[in-house]
Amino acid sequence: DADVTQTPRNRITKTGKRIMLECSQTKGHDRMYWYRQDPGLGLQLIYYSFDVKDINKGEISDGYSVSRQAQAKFSLSLESAIPNQTALYFCATSDPGSTNEQFFGPGTRLTVL
Amino acid sequence: AQSVSQHNHHVILSEAASLELGCNYSYGGTVNLFWYVQYPGQHLQLLLKYFSGDPLVKGIKGFEAEFIKSKFSFNLRKPSVQWSDTAEYFCAVNARNNNDMRFGAGTRLTVKP
Repeated sequence: DADVTQTPRNRITKTGKRIMLECSQTKGHDRMYWYRQDPGLGLQLIYYSFDVKDINKGEISDGYSVSRQAQAKFSLSLESAIPNQTALYFCATSDPGSTNEQFFGPGTRLTVL
Repeated sequence: AQSVSQHNHHVILSEAASLELGCNYSYGGTVNLFWYVQYPGQHLQLLLKYFSGDPLVKGIKGFEAEFIKSKFSFNLRKPSVQWSDTAEYFCAVNARNNNDMRFGAGTRLTVKP
């Protein structure tokens, strides 16, 4: 079984709709992250959480919100989706050790029409 | 916050050619350095990482990278590429004092059989 899972894997929605992307992990890591990937821009950090009570904005948090329901679950919401939020979204986890190596989920491809 | 530059957006090589992908970062403090690979349609996977010790790091699938502190560089190398190395490669830098991870824009590698 995959250590980091994301649902849905693909989603097409319309402008103005509310969308939630979910991430679950079985690695037992405290730290979880949401990134978006756009061609030519690499990965940009949206939000991250170092434990259940800790939520932090990343580079590009505008238009997004998150919820850390449990150590294993970290959801990303788009309150009112817009076309330039069309991207590939990745969830990641890391262990708060010295290296901070991150482990990625399979990604969610979101298209906003 | 630190930033990461990957010099090549798209590299095309023939099988058995040697590979070097550039990565430079801007940050004056202590860092952990990573190279991730993303095969077509898949999530990011760790190729190799550096956090201390020997600046020449060996990773999976014959890849290696050298940390040159004076040049703020962490270039990825492979002596002889294979068609199966076709993928996108991302350099990432984690600043230890703030746990902030930044990714480069990525380099797409195409290996012709």
